[in-house]
Amino acid sequence: EAGVVQSPRYKIIEKKQPVAFWCNPISGHNTLYWYRQNLGQGPELLIRYENEEAVDDSQLPKDRFSAERLKGVDSTLKIQPAELGDSAVYLCASSYSGDEQYFGPGTRLTVT
Amino acid sequence: RKEVEQDPGPFNVPEGATVAFNCTYSNSASQSFFWYRQDCRKEPKLLMSVYSSGNEDGRFTAQLNRASQYISLLIRDSKLSDSATYLCVVNTPGRGSTLGRLYFGRGTQLTVWP
Repeated sequence: EAGVVQSPRYKIIEKKQPVAFWCNPISGHNTLYWYRQNLGQGPELLIRYENEEAVDDSQLPKDRFSAERLKGVDSTLKIQPAELGDSAVYLCASSYSGDEQYFGPGTRLTVT
Repeated sequence: RKEVEQDPGPFNVPEGATVAFNCTYSNSASQSFFWYRQDCRKEPKLLMSVYSSGNEDGRFTAQLNRASQYISLLIRDSKLSDSATYLCVVNTPGRGSTLGRLYFGRGTQLTVWP
């Protein structure tokens, strides 16, 4: 069974530029999560989807971050414009009805 | 106050040693508890769930004390391959659904040396 797929794996951009991350969850997993992990810290939830509905986005900085999961399968997380403090690893995870969460390999973002 | 607090370490132990990690959580309404393992530059992976009665999986034993809001992980007979960061994770009810939200500690770094 294929795991959670994320792309790109690495991204380097200049501040004020836009960036987008893509995630394809494990087939059949209805819940999808986006996390941000800063160096030396645990992952922090940005947004959770149940199917195509965003059910917990309270931690998403909505002035510059947006996300979508239009058909309830894959998802895109966007930052526009990026700031230096956005440098982090962005992790996508999926689960089936709240069971164990499976993480993708993450996208390592560097903003210069 | 952070939802989950853990000592970041690092813990450096020889092969064969027994090592214990602890963490505390702040929300008494938290419902489920886990230890995740994260290797360097890799994604977190579930190591084990933690139950009130305590549970064991091979060399790993997890304990939960709800009264003290305290979770522990004991690793016996440490192997080189146990070197990783161990994340304490708590599921706390939140808005939007009954699934709650996972809160991760910052992790405790373990290095097992030969």
